[in-house]
Amino acid sequence: AQSVTQPDIHITVSEGASLELRCNYSYGATPYLFWYVQSPGQGLQLLLKYFSGDTLVQGIKGFEAEFKRSQSSFNLRKPSVHWSDAAEYFCAVGPLGGSSNTGKLIFGQGTTLQVKP
Amino acid sequence: DTGVSQDPRHKITKRGQNVTFRCDPISEHNRLYWYRQTLGQGPEFLTYFQNEAQLEKSRLLSDRFSAERPKGSFSTLEIQRTEQGDSAMYLCASSLGAAGYEQYFGPGTRLTVT
Repeated sequence: AQSVTQPDIHITVSEGASLELRCNYSYGATPYLFWYVQSPGQGLQLLLKYFSGDTLVQGIKGFEAEFKRSQSSFNLRKPSVHWSDAAEYFCAVGPLGGSSNTGKLIFGQGTTLQVKP
Repeated sequence: DTGVSQDPRHKITKRGQNVTFRCDPISEHNRLYWYRQTLGQGPEFLTYFQNEAQLEKSRLLSDRFSAERPKGSFSTLEIQRTEQGDSAMYLCASSLGAAGYEQYFGPGTRLTVT
């Protein structure tokens, strides 16, 4: 069965420091991969997505993610974190093909990012 | 593009009562999804519609849950005989098409069953 693992439940970084949030997935083929951010009281907002092609994808708010097929990973990075980046981050996998071509997303557990001033 | 809206934003109900939530997707989106999110977890898929047809339901969706999307526009999610375990955030999302299209999420309806 498809699954997504975000190993870090909670991460704290200092403002201005770099950030990497980890995501590993289990799937028989290359899925669609997404990173969403959720701020308190807000809906999920898409940061970036990977479908195919260049394995380094750029997103909004200065985020990027790199797809590594050999490691089944899709880690999210940001070179310099801002206090406003404090939120919960979710990695998600979109099944495709055959009877699974519903477009439904499978989410990881999420990583809560705290930013120290 | 006004985004996905959900109503109500918060609902407190007593165990055993019925509740209904509404989702208004982005107008040209033909796919509509319902997810449930409990504290400290990621959203879990419940069901989805393509236009007015409900095409898949998760095993999470017990027979106390029913969803509709009449005329392929807004959708409702009803929970009958609510239980404390139903307490969660119910998220609605819509998209233009099939797998891979971006899903736009609404702000969610937070249900508390007392």
